Amino acid sequence: GQNIDQPTEMTATEGAIVQINCTYQTSGFNGLFWYQQHAGEAPTFLSYNVLDGLEEKGRFSSFLSRSKGYSYLLLKELQMKDSASYLCAVIPHRNSGYALNFGKGTSLLVTP
Amino acid sequence: EAEVAQSPRYKITEKSQAVAFWCDPISGHATLYWYRQILGQGPELLVQFQDESVVDDSQLPKDRFSAERLKGVDSTLKIQPAELGDSAMYLCASSFSGDTQYFGPGTRLTVL
Repeated sequence: GQNIDQPTEMTATEGAIVQINCTYQTSGFNGLFWYQQHAGEAPTFLSYNVLDGLEEKGRFSSFLSRSKGYSYLLLKELQMKDSASYLCAVIPHRNSGYALNFGKGTSLLVTP
Repeated sequence: EAEVAQSPRYKITEKSQAVAFWCDPISGHATLYWYRQILGQGPELLVQFQDESVVDDSQLPKDRFSAERLKGVDSTLKIQPAELGDSAMYLCASSFSGDTQYFGPGTRLTVL
């Protein structure tokens, strides 16, 4: 089976930096995604990591260590609009028969 | 910017009734996914299409759920009969290369 773990909730202050961790144990690995989901809305794509290292995209960065089965999403200069759920998802196999396996999501609350 | 379209956005029905959801993927995206997301959880795959063919429907409750993508473009997901436990957000996503998936706005189903 697939096991993807991330914290349920986090709180951070506007302007600060927050790191959301994700650990995974899957039968194969062919990429890890982070999605942002505001309440009642669809997930929106944030980042994709397939090789080890850090991918930076504006205020958001994502890190992957395949040997440790570990990723994190780093959000800098937090804004109130960043309050949302952040979903970690893994593609176990790069075959047409496999889709994203999602964690349960981390609900981030940004406070003034 | 091209988007995945879904309708209806909201559906309220009574148990034992039939419901149908529609999805139109981003033009040119051969792969289409239907996910179900229960409140507080991550999305879970129901069915995956590659063009008009079902690639993975192992998690689709086939006694009551059906999905089709007859011409390899838009898709319909049907539930008959609906049960209380089917209340959830039904998300459609599409991808071009099988990697990054883009989600539609979802259909929020409430079964009374």
